[in-house]
Amino acid sequence: GAVVSQHPSRVICKSGTSVKIECRSLDFQATTMFWYRQFPKQSLMLMATSNEGSKATYEQGVEKDKFLINHASLTLSTLTVTSAHPEDSSFYICSAKSQGESTEAFFGQGTRLTVV
Amino acid sequence: GQNIDQPTEMTATEGAIVQINCTYQTSGFNGLFWYQQHAGEAPTFLSYNVLDGLEEKGRFSSFLSRSKGYSYLLLKELQMKDSASYLCAVVDSNYQLIWGAGTKLIIKP
Repeated sequence: GAVVSQHPSRVICKSGTSVKIECRSLDFQATTMFWYRQFPKQSLMLMATSNEGSKATYEQGVEKDKFLINHASLTLSTLTVTSAHPEDSSFYICSAKSQGESTEAFFGQGTRLTVV
Repeated sequence: GQNIDQPTEMTATEGAIVQINCTYQTSGFNGLFWYQQHAGEAPTFLSYNVLDGLEEKGRFSSFLSRSKGYSYLLLKELQMKDSASYLCAVVDSNYQLIWGAGTKLIIKP
């Protein structure tokens, strides 16, 4: 199946710094990418949906100035957590799908962010 | 509103069969996914149903009834490694994935 690569898999950063997470589709063109956050023992929470070349659509309650999403190409989307705080520590997962009726979303491996 | 219901937790015995149900109410329907997620890992794809009926794939089968807004995931010959969360997700009319909260499956020897 299609491959989505997410990097880094783990990151520890100091409070107040920014962290960038990359999500790449390796063998297909990802017209749409989704960014999720998962708290321990909870389901995936959709943060935002990004379509290539346009601004991301954020879910209610997600701060777009804090979680910057860029989807500048058909194979790469990035999520930047700005001015990170300990409460931002979480598991962030991206998924990608191509255009059309085939709607399977392929997931990246996830990024464990720890803010100290 | 959009709603997906699945049991929070289920327990089964190694070697047995377990059925995990999922009911949904969404704005439109363009398919239903089942994903498996082990703790600390990203979800992995199990099945995709868009037409009514049963899809069998090895030890795992998935069933869909669109008229009833209902699906189930059937796991046979349970193994300890099947202990995980199982997530039901529906594709709505905007091709967005609407996620259930997941069912934690505990397998006992």
